[in-house]
Amino acid sequence: DGGITQSPKYLFRKEGQNVTLSCEQNLNHDAMYWYRQDPGQGLRLIYYSQIVNDFQKGDIAEGYSVSREKKESFPLTVTSAQKNPTAFYLCASSILGTNYGYTFGSGTRLTVV
Amino acid sequence: AQSVAQPEDQVNVAEGNPLTVKCTYSVSGNPYLFWYVQYPNRGLQFLLKYITGDNLVKGSYGFEAEFNKSQTSFHLKKPSALVSDSALYFCAVRDITNTGFQKLVFGTGTRLLVSP
Repeated sequence: DGGITQSPKYLFRKEGQNVTLSCEQNLNHDAMYWYRQDPGQGLRLIYYSQIVNDFQKGDIAEGYSVSREKKESFPLTVTSAQKNPTAFYLCASSILGTNYGYTFGSGTRLTVV
Repeated sequence: AQSVAQPEDQVNVAEGNPLTVKCTYSVSGNPYLFWYVQYPNRGLQFLLKYITGDNLVKGSYGFEAEFNKSQTSFHLKKPSALVSDSALYFCAVRDITNTGFQKLVFGTGTRLLVSP
């Protein structure tokens, strides 16, 4: 089955730690995205990538980093510089151009302990 | 920048009654509009989109949306609500970055609660 796989589903981070969230797609989509979801704030764009080895900051990139070494993979690292990382993180992919909309993964819930 | 607004945090409706979830947009040029649904602890699922053509767009699970240019609205509707329609609904609009990349901008979401 084609789709996007995010792992892990739940992740706990200690203060000062970096953690990496995985996102893999087998849809042959060129574009990939990371969103953060907080209650009452909807989805906010962290980073996006339209091609391998290229990515751009979204609206709330501070404290996050990404890489795009393969077309299928777009991991997100939440660094210790992110002061309030507890949230639900969603990865998405699309064909370039948005006439087709996005396909979303099932999300990773990150909690700071 | 393009944006959408969802004026209601929550909509309550009884099963069997018609439902409407509201969305208004602010764009320059022609709007490309989308509706997504999210069930608890899940990703978003595509419901329908308006690119051009008929103002009434039909989508998944019996949902439809009406594009109204004069009112800059794109309300989601369903003639008869089901308890299983209870979820979080997001409206989205296409935006284009200064490098020409197309991306979606999402509203804050509306929680739909359908009571038995």
